[in-house]
Amino acid sequence: SAVISQKPSRDICQRGTSLTIQCQVDSQVTMMFWYRQQPGQSLTLIATANQGSEATYESGFVIDKFPISRPNLTFSTLTVSNMSPEDSSIYLCSVDALASGFYNEQFFGPGTRLTVL
Amino acid sequence: DAKTTQPPSMDCAEGRAANLPCNHSTISGNEYVYWYRQIHSQGPQYIIHGLKNNETNEMASLIITEDRKSSTLILPHATLRDTAVYYCIVRVRGYNKLIFGAGTRLAVHP
Repeated sequence: SAVISQKPSRDICQRGTSLTIQCQVDSQVTMMFWYRQQPGQSLTLIATANQGSEATYESGFVIDKFPISRPNLTFSTLTVSNMSPEDSSIYLCSVDALASGFYNEQFFGPGTRLTVL
Repeated sequence: DAKTTQPPSMDCAEGRAANLPCNHSTISGNEYVYWYRQIHSQGPQYIIHGLKNNETNEMASLIITEDRKSSTLILPHATLRDTAVYYCIVRVRGYNKLIFGAGTRLAVHP
């Protein structure tokens, strides 16, 4: 299994500023994922973060707006740049890790609740 | 990944079985059915997955039809703590991305 922590748990930011969200895992994992969950909506995958290479972004998300770092196998950051109220969401990181038994499952962090004024 | 269709909401009485359906008519042979749930203000939690056989674990049972075009997640004795949004996801095992649909909002009432 994998235990994931995120910092900050919540923040209120002014438009035009940037916020960096940290994701820490208690074990080494190859792939980490960043999701966005807008109010009342389902989760949308932003990007996949691989250690040692550029993140892979999903359609509709760009590196200039959501730069991602992955300096090692247990840590990643997501920056939300030049924020606007439309960026108000919960941002979640997740990892694919070995669960009990012989299969992988995806584990999620508690999320970072961002409000942009 | 195949698309899934779930009812937007369901109700269940506490102590009764909750049966959550999912249609995945375009599923391909190497795609598994996964179920996750998201309790309010928390990250999603894995429940169960299967390929073609019925599966059971300590949380739930998964019934997959013989043609694999639909499945049902069964919570045998629902409690108030099972109130959550339940997501049915189809993906190739070993393919890491999860693509979430709208899910089913299950409300368990006393």
